[in-house]
Amino acid sequence: QITLKESGPTLVKPTQTLTLTCTFSGFSLTTTGVSVGWIRQPPGKALEWVALIYWDDDRYYTPSLKSRLTISKDTSRNQVVLTMTNMDPVDTATYYCVYRLNGYGVRNWGQGNLVTVSS
Amino acid sequence: QPVLTQSSSASASLGSSVKLICTLSSGHSNFIIAWHQQQPGKAPRYLMKVEGSGSYNKGSGVPDRFSGSSSGADRYLTISNVQSEDEADYYCETWDSNTHVFGSGTKVTVL
Repeated sequence: QITLKESGPTLVKPTQTLTLTCTFSGFSLTTTGVSVGWIRQPPGKALEWVALIYWDDDRYYTPSLKSRLTISKDTSRNQVVLTMTNMDPVDTATYYCVYRLNGYGVRNWGQGNLVTVSS
Repeated sequence: QPVLTQSSSASASLGSSVKLICTLSSGHSNFIIAWHQQQPGKAPRYLMKVEGSGSYNKGSGVPDRFSGSSSGADRYLTISNVQSEDEADYYCETWDSNTHVFGSGTKVTVL
């Protein structure tokens, strides 16, 4: 059974750096075709890709956020970490960790972590 | 890069059927898409992938009343015998080697 759980702050101040951790189980991020990523959803709005890291350490960053993002993995601890610098109130959203499989898209979702950016 | 277009809303009476559409942009008509359901206040859930051939592959536990199909650049999600718990937002997703995108979502209301 695949599970993903996000952890991190619920409130950050403008200009601060956000660090989110995804801890997963039920699969290995060393398996060919597997990736783990982050998708966000502002309140009342649609889903938006943020970043993705692949089994072979390749990375995808959504172009509009690329300069602010870093995604990394620790396969021994089954964790993926996302950092986003210079947070702004428009970054207020629920951030979901997801398991993705080549050829299928996103297969599993975490429960989400609501991050509010406010002073 | 691919773009997905979805209608903003749809409605269906309890026990009827509803067919949602997700349209791929020009030049991407053979792309695979995935459908996700998001019930109010919950995280999204993977429903299925739909290929250009019309074949589809559902996730574990997805009820039989959900099915997929395809025609040209259009990918469909059909919900038969609509139940109250099907009231949700439905998103389609696609990708290529450089891009990952979602559609804007369709809100389904059960009457």
